[in-house]
Amino acid sequence: GAVVSQHPSRVICKSGTSVKIECRSLDFQATTMFWYRQFPKQSLMLMATSNEGSKATYEQGVEKDKFLINHASLTLSTLTVTSAHPEDSSFYICSADSTSGARSINNEQFFGPGTRLTVL
Amino acid sequence: AQKVTQAQTEISVVEKEDVTLDCVYETRDTTYYLFWYKQPPSGELVFLIRRNSFDEQNEISGRYSWNFQKSTSSFNFTITASQVVDSAVYFCALNGANSKLTFGKGITLSVRP
Repeated sequence: GAVVSQHPSRVICKSGTSVKIECRSLDFQATTMFWYRQFPKQSLMLMATSNEGSKATYEQGVEKDKFLINHASLTLSTLTVTSAHPEDSSFYICSADSTSGARSINNEQFFGPGTRLTVL
Repeated sequence: AQKVTQAQTEISVVEKEDVTLDCVYETRDTTYYLFWYKQPPSGELVFLIRRNSFDEQNEISGRYSWNFQKSTSSFNFTITASQVVDSAVYFCALNGANSKLTFGKGITLSVRP
């Protein structure tokens, strides 16, 4: 149980295009999802927190108009990197946190397998 | 603000050696959770352990053991009889009252045959 999937796992795009990454909780409802970015040989940095049905909360320094987050249902959040540039190339990881219902497990987040974005 | 410090950046050991990965944290919350994750080259984070701030019992799981000491704000991780498959980046993380996970910078462990 508590499986989170991400799609695609890897994407290569041209500079200036937009890329959408999906994060799904497969066997539980995720009231909150988190998006992280990890540059090579660095740690995971939280980009934003999304709650189902409301606007995402972005961390300081993250451009909300560039990284569009939509959490339209309790099992799906999407991150769209708009007008991607080579500096946006990174490993994007989502996680889901179910803080209501039977699966509330002590602040644990369940991570997706990540999406490696390469912008040419 | 919360902070996680993993002072070691890279560790290299020979197979069968024991190795300890250090983690020191800072938080003003009285209730918080500490985690260790393993990140192999594939990139996927593998959950290893969760500890809440009220449970200072050390834990052993096979070759893995964890030492949580609130007095020194440390949550160290020891791998006994290391194996090549243990080679990965290991992250310590803290989740406090704001429900946001703060990660340390990670420790790259290389286990040589």
